[in-house]
Amino acid sequence: SQKIEQNSEALNIQEGKTATLTCNYTNYSPAYLQWYRQDPGRGPVFLLLIRENEKEKRKERLKVTFDTTLKQSLFHITASQPADSATYLCALSSGGSYIPTFGRGTSLIVHP
Amino acid sequence: GAGVSQSPSNKVTEKGKDVELRCDPISGHTALYWYRQSLGQGLEFLIYFQGNSAPDKSGLPSDRFSAERTGGSVSTLTIQRTQQEDSAVYLCASSLGASRKETQYFGPGTRLLVL
Repeated sequence: SQKIEQNSEALNIQEGKTATLTCNYTNYSPAYLQWYRQDPGRGPVFLLLIRENEKEKRKERLKVTFDTTLKQSLFHITASQPADSATYLCALSSGGSYIPTFGRGTSLIVHP
Repeated sequence: GAGVSQSPSNKVTEKGKDVELRCDPISGHTALYWYRQSLGQGLEFLIYFQGNSAPDKSGLPSDRFSAERTGGSVSTLTIQRTQQEDSAVYLCASSLGASRKETQYFGPGTRLLVL
């Protein structure tokens, strides 16, 4: 069955360092992958979308990579700040569906 | 502009009662989605609307769950005879509905607690 794995353990890093979050998937051929941020008590907020034929996407301090051979996406936040502390969700979509499948998310905690 | 809104923000009910959750999507968005998120779990897809029709209801967990959308706008998710396992955050999202790679815009969710 299709499976999306995100590290269930919280990632703790120091302010200013680069945070790297991982999204692995199996039995899936996604056409594109999205990353969302979710703060406590709020709905997810879209951050970045990357297509299967793209290796890397950047937006300000954010960078996403997509390796369809490894079946993995990495999400990087450079020069991290305490305000970046949140849960980050990856979501995969196949080309034929309007419905993305979400991972459980990884909590990021940036310490001042 | 206004984002997706949901009401109520919190709902406490007794087991066996019916509840209605409301979602107001972004104006002009034809696609609307309902998800459920339990503590520590990912987003569980419930139902998808394109306009007023629901081409995908595959995520509704039982026949106690139903949803409708009227006028291509507001949607209501109804849970009949609520059970304790229905306790979760119910999230609504909308998108333009023009393509499959669109961003979804989420509301703040309704936190449902069934006692």
